[in-house]
Amino acid sequence: GQQLNQSPQSMFIQEGEDVSMNCTSSSIFNTWLWYKQDPGEGPVLLIALYKAGELTSNGRLTAQFGITRKDSFLNISASIPSDVGIYFCAGQLAVGGTSYGKLTFGQGTILTVHP
Amino acid sequence: NAGVMQNPRHLVRRRGQEARLRCSPMKGHSHVYWYRQLPEEGLKFMVYLQKENIIDESGMPKERFSAEFPKEGPSILRIQQVVRGDSAAYFCASSLPGTGVKNYGYTFGSGTRLTVV
Repeated sequence: GQQLNQSPQSMFIQEGEDVSMNCTSSSIFNTWLWYKQDPGEGPVLLIALYKAGELTSNGRLTAQFGITRKDSFLNISASIPSDVGIYFCAGQLAVGGTSYGKLTFGQGTILTVHP
Repeated sequence: NAGVMQNPRHLVRRRGQEARLRCSPMKGHSHVYWYRQLPEEGLKFMVYLQKENIIDESGMPKERFSAEFPKEGPSILRIQQVVRGDSAAYFCASSLPGTGVKNYGYTFGSGTRLTVV
C-alpha cells in the first residue's frame, strides 16, 4: 500500500525562525494536504494542493506539490509559540472522478518553538 | 454550526468488553470516514461509509471491528472483545459528496481516546 515518509520527525526552534518539513511517497497522489494537530484534538487542514507544481500560501505557511506527484513540502516563516504542534502531510487519490475518501498520512513532525 | 461530534471523548474498557464509538457528521454531510491513531504515529484509514453503505473498509481489521452509518442517527464504530492493542485515538471525519478535500469540507472530529485495561 501507499506509504508517506515525513521528515524531520521533530524540530526544536527559536521563535522567529523559519521551518521546513517534507514528505515523500512511493506512489503518486492527486492531492497533497498538510494538517496540524494540537494535543487532544483532531487534525485541522492547513493547505490543500491539487496540481503538480502548485505553490500555495496560507498566511505564514507555504506548501508545494512536487512535479513528480510523489512529494510535497511545507514551510512556516517567522515561527511563533502557537505554531507548536504536530504537522502531518497526507495524500489523497481520486478514482474515477468520484470522491475516494481514503487519506494516507505521514508519521508527523513534532514542532517545538522556544520563546 | 456544529462540527463533527464524537463521543465519548474518553472511553475505558476492560479486555473482552465491547467498545462503541459514535460520530455525528457535520450538517449536510453524507460521507463518514474513520481513522485510528496510535501514540506518536499518523492517522491510519479504517473505513469510508455513506448512508447505509460501506464504500471502502480496506483498513478495517477483519475480526472484531465493524462500522455502520444508518439512515438516521450517528455513525458507529464497534469493537468487540477489545484487547490492549486496540488502545488508540479513533477519529471520525465527514464530508459532502464530491472530489477534493478542501472543496467538500472534509473535517475531522476531536476523537475518542480508547484505553483498554
